[in-house]
Amino acid sequence: KAGVTQTPRYLIKTRGQQVTLSCSPISGHRSVSWYQQTPGQGLQFLFEYFSETQRNKGNFPGRFSGRQFSNSRSEMNVSTLELGDSALYLCASSFTSDNEQFFGPGTRLTVL
Amino acid sequence: AQSVTQPDIHITVSEGASLELRCNYSYGATPYLFWYVQSPGQGLQLLLKYFSGDTLVQGIKGFEAEFKRSQSSFNLRKPSVHWSDAAEYFCAVRRGGSARQLTFGSGTQLTVLP
Repeated sequence: KAGVTQTPRYLIKTRGQQVTLSCSPISGHRSVSWYQQTPGQGLQFLFEYFSETQRNKGNFPGRFSGRQFSNSRSEMNVSTLELGDSALYLCASSFTSDNEQFFGPGTRLTVL
Repeated sequence: AQSVTQPDIHITVSEGASLELRCNYSYGATPYLFWYVQSPGQGLQLLLKYFSGDTLVQGIKGFEAEFKRSQSSFNLRKPSVHWSDAAEYFCAVRRGGSARQLTFGSGTQLTVLP
């Protein structure tokens, strides 16, 4: 079974731009969560989607948003990029919200 | 709010030596507990999990962890470390109920000496 895939793997943007990251969960998994990983703050939860509905949201500004499609694929969007948004963005999927999460390789976003 | 503490930022062991990585959590009820490993530039790989039942859980790559409720700990162990185990290790906790997101510790970087 294929794992969680994330595209693109690497991204370079400039301040003020917006970016969209994509995540394809493991086949059959309906829950997708997003995390931000930075050296200073570590791993922080962004949001979770299940059956196209956002179930939980972390403590991030409204510039961070996401959605989930009917095939469980998910996207997250960051608008008006700031230097501090440079991070590894990890997507995780699980069969349901109560099962263990499996992570993708991440998208490395660099904001210049 | 729940929290996870990994007191050791960096641990160095020799290949073949035993390993124990510490993890303490703060949460009122019994949480769901996880250990993940991350190699440079990679995502997180699940090593093992504890939901309930036997407090000694076995994982992949020869790792095990023991849940000790009285100490609020979930330490990761391996009897003999291999050079390929060098990576960063994260302990994570998840509450039950509606908040199912993972809260991670700050990680422990493992260096393995030949």
